[in-house]
Amino acid sequence: TQLLEQSPQFLSIQEGENLTVYCNSSSVFSSLQWYRQEPGEGPVLLVTVVTGGEVKKLKRLTFQFGDARKDSSLHITAAQPGDTGLYLCAGPPYSTLTFGKGTMLLVSP
Amino acid sequence: SAVISQKPSRDICQRGTSLTIQCQVDSQVTMMFWYRQQPGQSLTLIATANQGSEATYESGFVIDKFPISRPNLTFSTLTVSNMSPEDSSIYLCSVVVGTYEQYFGPGTRLTVT
Repeated sequence: TQLLEQSPQFLSIQEGENLTVYCNSSSVFSSLQWYRQEPGEGPVLLVTVVTGGEVKKLKRLTFQFGDARKDSSLHITAAQPGDTGLYLCAGPPYSTLTFGKGTMLLVSP
Repeated sequence: SAVISQKPSRDICQRGTSLTIQCQVDSQVTMMFWYRQQPGQSLTLIATANQGSEATYESGFVIDKFPISRPNLTFSTLTVSNMSPEDSSIYLCSVVVGTYEQYFGPGTRLTVT
């Protein structure tokens, strides 16, 4: 089983701050996915990164896939309360995903 | 994309009973999965629901405890049998659309007393 380690486990910040969360593994992944899960909901896919070194932007969210395809990061600029949720990385996509334990982000007004 | 609904959304059950969770998708999909998310934990894959054949279970999960049906390409059920408090979790179904896109239902929050 390929393991994904996410850090930090919990992050509490004020609105307007920037943050980065990490997803690391000792294994190489063909690609990684990032999800956000809000309380009482299922995870929602944010992005899939497939190429080593790839950077993808989704409004204020920037996702990066490491050159060696063993790690990924999610950077949020000017966080808003609506960004609050559990951020999960998972890989590989299609068929049986392996999920990290997630980073719980709380953004206070 | 895919829109997934689950029933029930939540339930409180007594020890020793069984609960069947339904998952309905708004389009035909080949791959459908069932996950468990225990309190404060990440998602763990229970099984792949195969249409027309027996489900494929992950290590630690067995058919007698979690029987799964998949009568067609838009519907599946997961039964949690002979429940104990340790089965208290959120149960999620998911489907894969296209190459990479996986969509999840809203989950069923189960509490066993």
